[in-house]
Amino acid sequence: EVQLVESGGGLVQPGRSLRLSCAASGFTFDDYAMHWVRQAPGKGLEWVSGISWNSGSIGYADSVKGRFTISRDNAKNSLYLQMNSLRAEDTALYYCAKDFGSSSWPPIAFDIWGQGTMVTVSS
Amino acid sequence: SYVLTQPPSVSVAPGQTARITCGGNNIGSKSVHWYQQKPGQAPVLVVYDDSDRPSGIPERFSGSNSGNTATLTISRVEAGDEADYYCQVWDSSSAPFGGGTKLTVL
Repeated sequence: EVQLVESGGGLVQPGRSLRLSCAASGFTFDDYAMHWVRQAPGKGLEWVSGISWNSGSIGYADSVKGRFTISRDNAKNSLYLQMNSLRAEDTALYYCAKDFGSSSWPPIAFDIWGQGTMVTVSS
Repeated sequence: SYVLTQPPSVSVAPGQTARITCGGNNIGSKSVHWYQQKPGQAPVLVVYDDSDRPSGIPERFSGSNSGNTATLTISRVEAGDEADYYCQVWDSSSAPFGGGTKLTVL
């Protein structure tokens, strides 16, 4: 079964850091680009960042550029999001998502999603 | 940044056809993807590359894209189709989503 499981969320003070992880299973992880998408409470979806299968191409939303860093470890079938200088507006459910296309960049679409990990930024 | 505009809500009776639009500047030149999200659940890809369906998605879901508007069409709407629907594209190294449309089945 194809599965993505996020972890690492929690309550953090403004200005602090947090690292999210996503464990993948059931597919050949290093064949696919991966992404982080977030959803603030009661709001819509916002793409945060994406990384190609070989980490050669990376993209960020303007809202997180310079503060967040995406990375992956293909040997561990894992995706990461390092979040620094967190703000209240970063409060959201963070989803890990698999790209639809094999070895493709630009990305195609997000066909498999995890259940998300909640990040709350508050003092 | 590229902006995608969706109507906040669409209502339709069971058995009828629902059409959800996604507007964007020359969106017809891009590939549009559509997601369904039910309360408390992760999104599900229902249409990709304008009009293709992933395996397991009913034929009742279809899509089109031309000019400045892409459209998700749901035929023979069922109560279980009630959800939020989001369009999404890839543009200049980012992947914007539309604001979402709440589909209500009357």
